[in-house]
Amino acid sequence: DIQMTQSPSSLSASVGDRVTITCRAAQNIYRYLNWYQHKPGKAPNLLIYAASSLQSGVPPRFIGNGSGTDFALTITSLQPQDFATYYCQQSYRTPSFGPGTRVDIK
Amino acid sequence: QLQLQESGPQLVKPSETLSLTCNVSGGSIRDDYHYWVWIRQPPGKGLEWIGTIFYTGTTDYNPSLRGRVTISVDKSKNQFSLEVTSVTAADTAVYFCASRLVVTAKPYDCWGQGTLVRVSS
Repeated sequence: DIQMTQSPSSLSASVGDRVTITCRAAQNIYRYLNWYQHKPGKAPNLLIYAASSLQSGVPPRFIGNGSGTDFALTITSLQPQDFATYYCQQSYRTPSFGPGTRVDIK
Repeated sequence: QLQLQESGPQLVKPSETLSLTCNVSGGSIRDDYHYWVWIRQPPGKGLEWIGTIFYTGTTDYNPSLRGRVTISVDKSKNQFSLEVTSVTAADTAVYFCASRLVVTAKPYDCWGQGTLVRVSS
């Protein structure tokens, strides 16, 4: 299995803040990296696929970048509906997820 | 728009079989652009991919669960199902069904809300 790590594990931020979450793979996964947003009791939501492609319907304030082993998800201006947990996921080998980053209100 | 909904028992006894069904609406399970997936999340833990099926019946399972997991598809009902045999407390989790796009990076583009299944006597 390819181990995925995320940092930070949680963060507190205010509406309008720029927030960056990082994801690291234990080996080269090229650009086989996706990002999801998950709110309690709701279906997870695909935000970014293939490291930087914005899923249809997702606001452009969500930006993904990276390749190889290091990736990042940036929210350029945090909105009230963005408080959630964010997961990265690799699909280069047997699919695996990062442990998640919880974003809550400061 | 594609919608997925999980259903099945919320309580299963140890050593028995966990069975869940995912109903697909808003699209056909005979879709050349989607695979169908089960993912779970034990309480307080991370997400774990269980397995994937194409409507033709082709499957792929997580090696850590292989031997206990079967995923099947019912095209007539537009549903796919999960069975996990010989369950233990470690199989207690929220179980999600999802669709996986046939594109680069194979993302899970649509998810059900998830259903909590507890393994307990």
